[in-house]
Formats: sequence, structure tokens, C-alpha cells
Amino acid sequence: DTAVSQTPKYLVTQMGNDKSIKCEQNLGHDTMYWYKQDSKKFLKIMFSYNNKELIINETVPNRFSPKSPDKAHLNLHINSLELGDSAVYFCASKAPPETQYFGPGTRLLVL
Amino acid sequence: QKEVEQNSGPLSVPEGAIASLNCTYSDRGSQSFFWYRQYSGKSPELIMSIYSNGDKEDGRFTAQLNKASQYVSLLIRDSQPSDSATYLCAVRPNAGGTSYGKLTFGQGTILTVHP
Repeated sequence: DTAVSQTPKYLVTQMGNDKSIKCEQNLGHDTMYWYKQDSKKFLKIMFSYNNKELIINETVPNRFSPKSPDKAHLNLHINSLELGDSAVYFCASKAPPETQYFGPGTRLLVL
Repeated sequence: QKEVEQNSGPLSVPEGAIASLNCTYSDRGSQSFFWYRQYSGKSPELIMSIYSNGDKEDGRFTAQLNKASQYVSLLIRDSQPSDSATYLCAVRPNAGGTSYGKLTFGQGTILTVHP
């Protein structure tokens, strides 16, 4: 029983394409996050939703658009993909008070 | 100055030794501090959290916090080859209660424990 799941695990695509990554958590948590981890392993927050409401929106190009249809799901859509978007994208959800559980990651490669 | 800074390593220790990982942070008002372990190709996993000055022990792991020096460390006693991983320090900034659990991560320290 995976607590935080992401699809797809791997994504290889051409520059300029649009792609989506999906995340689901079955832990009943209210708060979910998207992180980007670059090739140097630096993990940086992108967005956070609390019960379907956007609460954190870091300095991210507006080609990235998160969507939360319900509190168990947080998806990430990326328009006009660029080479620099290649990274591992992690979804996470937060148990009170502060423990974050990470999904397995989506490895995105833009060619 | 980076918000959260770690020794980039890599750090190599023999099996059975103590591994010491260090982290400094810039936001003096930060209240919550975490250590995550990330195996190669896997996702980060929380191993320790600490909120007040002093030491916190959990099995072979001890987290140490010194807010005056803005310093947090992780000691791993009796290091095992299975401890070989990247260790990420994370800090929740103090944003007047509106940080919503936002974590700022350091760049990670790669630890290798050799037999």
C-alpha cells in the first residue's frame, strides 16, 4: 500500500512538449507539495496545496501549473518543456505536525 | 549566503566509526529542523527531527541543535555500509506561522561507509 504515489516514474520527451505528472496520497493529509531535485541533488520546493488551496508558490516559471482536484491528489502540468526542466520531481504530503512523506519521484528528461 | 548549508562531502568513514554531518542555517527565527536520508535513486526519508536546543537520540542517530550558533548536526554511531546515502538537512523558516510547513533543504552530504 503505497502512501504517496506518482505517475509516471520516468518521462522522456522533446523540448516544447507539454506533459503532466500525477500524485496521489492515501494518508488523509491536508497538505501536499511539489519539489524539484536537480542533478546536484538540490531539493527545492515549488508549490504547496492545503485542502485544494494553493498556499505556497515559489519563484517558478508560469509554464508550471499545479492542480489539486481534491485533497488526495496534486498534479503538475508543464507547458513548453525546456532542457533545464530535466530533473526529478517529488510529490510529498505532510502529516501533522511536520513530517513530510515523499513519493518515489518522476524522472523527467527533456531532449 | 545560502539559507541552509551543509558540508558537501563526500564523507567517507570506516564501518563502526561515528559519522558526523553538519548543517548551518541563516534564518535565526527558524524553529524546526530535520534530517532526511536519500538512497541513490530513491526518495528522501525522514530520520530525525529536532525542535529545541540540545541533543535528541534515536537508536544510532543523534541530532544536535544549537540555535545561538544556528547549527544542527547529525551523528551516526556504529556506522554501517547500509548508512551510505545522501543526508539532507532541512529547516522550516519562521514565517510568522504562515510557512505552511515549507522546508528549505541544504545541498546534501554524501556519506560512504566502507567495510
